[in-house]
Amino acid sequence: AQSVTQLDSHVSVSEGTPVLLRCNYSSSYSPSLFWYVQHPNKGLQLLLKYTSAATLVKGINGFEAEFKKSETSFHLTKPSAHMSDAAEYFCVVIGSNSGYALNFGKGTSLLVTP
Amino acid sequence: GAVVSQHPSWVICKSGTSVKIECRSLDFQATTMFWYRQFPKQSLMLMATSNEGSKATYEQGVEKDKFLINHASLTLSTLTVTSAHPEDSSFYICSALAPTDTQYFGPGTRLTVL
Repeated sequence: AQSVTQLDSHVSVSEGTPVLLRCNYSSSYSPSLFWYVQHPNKGLQLLLKYTSAATLVKGINGFEAEFKKSETSFHLTKPSAHMSDAAEYFCVVIGSNSGYALNFGKGTSLLVTP
Repeated sequence: GAVVSQHPSWVICKSGTSVKIECRSLDFQATTMFWYRQFPKQSLMLMATSNEGSKATYEQGVEKDKFLINHASLTLSTLTVTSAHPEDSSFYICSALAPTDTQYFGPGTRLTVL
């Protein structure tokens, strides 16, 4: 089965500084990877997805992620954090080669301080 | 963007009763929907895959007789928690697979069993 590991359960950054949320994946084939964000009391929102096209994927709200096969990583970055970015972030992989069911990482809680 | 709704958003019930949760794709048809469960401060765990017009596929360890899933139309899937007990209290989230192969998530339903 395909899986992802989010390396940090909590990340704290100051407003205006870069954001890095780390995710490693395990897959026996070329994976489809996603980053979702969950704000309190709101539904999960897709930030971006990688499906074996360009390795650098640009998403919404200034986020982007780079697929690095040699490092089995799919880290999420943003050049400058905003207060509204504070939320829970999930790295996600499609669980099998035959379907669309998603396997979620444990999540990284991003705190943005003034 | 694609919208998925869930109803109710919060339900409180007595132990032993059954609760039905609805998941609707509002602006697209979804032959496949998914049901997830999320415990506080934890990640999402896939419970089952719901396919329109056929039986749901349950993940290992999920009781199919307890969590009844019906996908009666291309825009509606329902999850019924039968004979609910306090340990069933959780946040239940559905997603719908859009024709673009992207999953869109509902806002979730918080179930509290007294």
